[in-house]
Amino acid sequence: DQQVKQNSPSLSVQEGRISILNCDYTNSMFDYFLWYKKYPAEGPTFLISISSIKDKNEDGRFTVFLNKSAKHLSLHIVPSQPGDSAVYFCAATRAQKLVFGQGTRLTINP
Amino acid sequence: DTGVSQDPRHKITKRGQNVTFRCDPISEHNRLYWYRQTLGQGPEFLTYFQNEAQLEKSRLLSDRFSAERPKGSFSTLEIQRTEQGDSAMYLCASRYRKETQYFGPGTRLLVL
Repeated sequence: DQQVKQNSPSLSVQEGRISILNCDYTNSMFDYFLWYKKYPAEGPTFLISISSIKDKNEDGRFTVFLNKSAKHLSLHIVPSQPGDSAVYFCAATRAQKLVFGQGTRLTINP
Repeated sequence: DTGVSQDPRHKITKRGQNVTFRCDPISEHNRLYWYRQTLGQGPEFLTYFQNEAQLEKSRLLSDRFSAERPKGSFSTLEIQRTEQGDSAMYLCASRYRKETQYFGPGTRLLVL
């Protein structure tokens, strides 16, 4: 039972444009959502998070939006830079453990 | 700034051998987590410690797997009688009060 889903395995975006990564979840008991970025052969690096009581959180070029009624969250990166090319995971938490989506590979083209 | 460290970074072993991995969390973090990641998937939760107490274990953690955190600092994950299906990246994470878990670089295990 995949409680957190990232339905797009890959995304390609022009440098300078906006990247939008999407994530859906099924468990309404999740209380915190996080986005991680992962390079090959490295562990996930924390990017940004949002509490379930909020609908938006912004940190520099990164903004996360949460739509609880749709059980959907998205990560916006603007402007996109070549160094943003990586695999992005959304994760949700309840009772300590993180539940991850399958990841979306983002490629920023020059 | 010392983040989460894991040792070794890579391990190749033959089927049936035992392996042990070590994780050193960020020093003030009292919660420590182990995850496993296979190709094309997100990390999956294995087990969790608060200080030295192991508070939750996933059903993914068969009886061949054991984890310890003897003094509430570093943790070890041992896999006995390894199988080819154990080949994966083993990730350790730690956190203090906020919800954010910080991950180490992982140990990549290959069972031949």
